[in-house]
Amino acid sequence: GENVEQHPSTLSVQEGDSAVIKCTYSDSASNYFPWYKQELGKGPQLIIDIRSNVGEKKDQRIAVTLNKTAKHFSLHITETQPEDSAVYFCAARNNAGNMLTFGGGTRLMVKP
Amino acid sequence: DTAVSQTPKYLVTQMGNDKSIKCEQNLGHDTMYWYKQDSKKFLKIMFSYNNKELIINETVPNRFSPKSPDKAHLNLHINSLELGDSAVYFCASSPTAGNTEAFFGQGTRLTVV
Repeated sequence: GENVEQHPSTLSVQEGDSAVIKCTYSDSASNYFPWYKQELGKGPQLIIDIRSNVGEKKDQRIAVTLNKTAKHFSLHITETQPEDSAVYFCAARNNAGNMLTFGGGTRLMVKP
Repeated sequence: DTAVSQTPKYLVTQMGNDKSIKCEQNLGHDTMYWYKQDSKKFLKIMFSYNNKELIINETVPNRFSPKSPDKAHLNLHINSLELGDSAVYFCASSPTAGNTEAFFGQGTRLTVV
């Protein structure tokens, strides 16, 4: 089955700096890669996603890149703000489309 | 107007008891899921239902029995609760079983004592 690795597990940045979280996946047939943000006491919320026919996608301060050959994808947050502090999860959807496999999560702390 | 709602939000119970967690989505989605999040924040799928039919059961002990009376509801019943069942359980839904966004509920924090 699919295996998704996520790094780093914790990330501390100064407000205004950029943050990068990286994931690798094992199943080359996976073709949908969402990123979720989980705030304390809440469920994960989708912040951005990318499909395998696209190499990069941007939404304001958030961007995601995908390298299908290397089976890597990354989340980039620019101009970080304290409200960006949360746990971020990457995920990959299997080829059958019926299951999301999550990475282990990254706790991002943005210091004011 | 909550999209995916779970009840209860917190559940504290003794070992050996049987308990249920309810989930409802008002998004008109065909597919619903149960995920378990352990103390280290790992999110792992347990079950997936599409139009009331089970499509995924990820080697979950048979003490866990999901039930989907209609495609808007997916309840989780747990028999003979064990200490290791303590976790946060998330219900989610997506429009279809294909490559589409999954929407998560707020979670149910289950503590077995």
